[in-house]
Amino acid sequence: DGGITQSPKYLFRKEGQNVTLSCEQNLNHDAMYWYRQDPGQGLRLIYYSQIVNDFQKGDIAEGYSVSREKKESFPLTVTSAQKNPTAFYLCASHRGDRAWDYGYTFGSGTRLTVV
Amino acid sequence: AQKVTQAQTEISVVEKEDVTLDCVYETRDTTYYLFWYKQPPSGELVFLIRRNSFDEQNEISGRYSWNFQKSTSSFNFTITASQVVDSAVYFCALRFSGNTPLVFGKGTRLSVIA
Repeated sequence: DGGITQSPKYLFRKEGQNVTLSCEQNLNHDAMYWYRQDPGQGLRLIYYSQIVNDFQKGDIAEGYSVSREKKESFPLTVTSAQKNPTAFYLCASHRGDRAWDYGYTFGSGTRLTVV
Repeated sequence: AQKVTQAQTEISVVEKEDVTLDCVYETRDTTYYLFWYKQPPSGELVFLIRRNSFDEQNEISGRYSWNFQKSTSSFNFTITASQVVDSAVYFCALRFSGNTPLVFGKGTRLSVIA
């Protein structure tokens, strides 16, 4: 089955550490997205990538970094510069070939907690 | 700018009641796409429906129905005869034509009580 795989499901970070969240897809779509979810805030866009070796900042990119070296993979690094990283992180790609109107399919998310 | 507003933060209903979740959007584009997603307690967002701006037909899928009205920029979602399994957070989202990211509302948490 095609889909999005995020790992780990739960992640704990100490103050001042960088951590990397994994997102892999086997849908063969070019575009991938990272969203952050906080209670009562909905989903906010962190970064997105339309094609390999290219990515754009979303609305809340500060304190985060990404890479897109392979079509299948779009890892997100939460750096020590992110002051409030505790949140639920969701990765997504397109649902179908007609990417412009089909919306997204999502991974199961990573819950990051600062300890 | 495009914006999606879900004014209802939380709704609680008794099982078998009907419930409507409101979604109001803002966009200056004439071509756009509207979506509803369900987020059960497990956390993964599940796609429910997509609607194009040029298709104002309402849609029904089992107990779910959607009312799209361009005149009021609304895309409301009704669950008929609600069930406990409908308890989730529901998100409305908007997208322009082209490969632009989805913009989400803040979500409505629906609790269906047995």
